[in-house]
Amino acid sequence: DVVMTQTPVSLSVSLGNQASISCRSSQSLLHSDGNTYLSWYLQKPGQSPQLLIYLASNRFSGVSNRFSGSGSGTDFTLKISRVEPEDLGVYYCFQHTHLPYTFGAGTKLELK
Amino acid sequence: EVKLVESGGGLVQPGRSLKLSCAASGFNFNDYWMGWVRQAPGKGLEWIGEINKDSSTINYTPSLKDKFTISRDNAQNTLYLQMSKLGSEDTAIYYCAGGTGDWGQGVMVTVSS
Repeated sequence: DVVMTQTPVSLSVSLGNQASISCRSSQSLLHSDGNTYLSWYLQKPGQSPQLLIYLASNRFSGVSNRFSGSGSGTDFTLKISRVEPEDLGVYYCFQHTHLPYTFGAGTKLELK
Repeated sequence: EVKLVESGGGLVQPGRSLKLSCAASGFNFNDYWMGWVRQAPGKGLEWIGEINKDSSTINYTPSLKDKFTISRDNAQNTLYLQMSKLGSEDTAIYYCAGGTGDWGQGVMVTVSS
């Protein structure tokens, strides 16, 4: 199985500052069809996960442009600029290139 | 508006079976892969499996392949998860996830005597 390693486990940020989360996969996520099936989700307290980024760098419909995804191969990053209170929660990366699909363990974003 | 509504959860005894449903609306259900994800209390997300548009391809995480069965009824816009031989390790919130990128609100399954 592809292991997804997220760092850090938790992140304390001040409102208005930038946050950055790393996700590394144990195998390249480049699919034979040319796509990289890496997504980012945010799970706010008491809610179901919501899709933020798909195909490594594409923002999902309605997602603020303060969220950006980058990376390729095995190294990926989610950046959140100008953190707002509604950004707090747990962020997960998810690969659906290789079966079985796998999630990272999550990164908890908290207020400093 | 896309809506995915899970149902069928609750308290079940160890060793018993349970079938979850996910009612979809607001999009053309027939056009999308669908899947299930679960989350044990206080834990992270675990991918269970997925089913393609016409049910000809179904993929599972290996550890659940012999216990769980995913199916769909395109005429009823409904996704199913049949769970058997349930154990305490299956206690979790079960989410339905669509190829649209949307998720349901989840349904709790508690396995306990």
